[in-house]
Amino acid sequence: AQSVTQLDSQVPVFEEAPVELRCNYSSSVSVYLFWYVQYPNQGLQLLLKYLSGSTLVKGINGFEAEFNKSQTSFHLRKPSVHISDTAEYFCAVRTYSSASKIIFGSGTRLSIRP
Amino acid sequence: EAGVAQSPRYKIIEKRQSVAFWCNPISGHATLYWYQQILGQGPKLLIQFQNNGVVDDSQLPKDRFSAERLKGVDSTLKIQPAKLEDSAVYLCASSSVGQTYNEQFFGPGTRLTVL
Repeated sequence: AQSVTQLDSQVPVFEEAPVELRCNYSSSVSVYLFWYVQYPNQGLQLLLKYLSGSTLVKGINGFEAEFNKSQTSFHLRKPSVHISDTAEYFCAVRTYSSASKIIFGSGTRLSIRP
Repeated sequence: EAGVAQSPRYKIIEKRQSVAFWCNPISGHATLYWYQQILGQGPKLLIQFQNNGVVDDSQLPKDRFSAERLKGVDSTLKIQPAKLEDSAVYLCASSSVGQTYNEQFFGPGTRLTVL
């Protein structure tokens, strides 16, 4: 079975500072990896995904993530955050089977201070 | 292109009452998902449909939860009777089929409070 661990439940940062949100996963088979963002009172929106190929993945809103197979990690980064990035961020994993479900982490709340 | 629609957006009921949620997926999407998101947790899949057939309902509490997608388009999720622990946001998502990876698009959710 697959699992996802987001160690930080909350991450406060100042505006224009860099940020890293950590994600580790566990799986006995190869997986797809995702980061989703959830703004207040909204559904989830896909930020970026790793399916195969280059381990550095670029997403929307200036975010990027790096897949590290040896450390089973998929950390999310942004070099300079804005107030509008305030949201909850979820890391997720899914196996290659087309019928497999997405397993979500517990989320990290990113709060931006002016 | 219209997104995934859900209604109502908010619902407050007392325990042991019944409640129903409605979802209309993106036009042409064959796969529809219902998730439960409890406060402080990530979404958990309750049930997955492909057209009007159930693909996965292994985490659906079948003694009180039911879902249907009769014509392979919109879907309803029902809870009867509700318990306090059912307080959560219920998210609907949809995706197309036929590719290696089919992105799921999420609706805004229905926030249920059980008193």
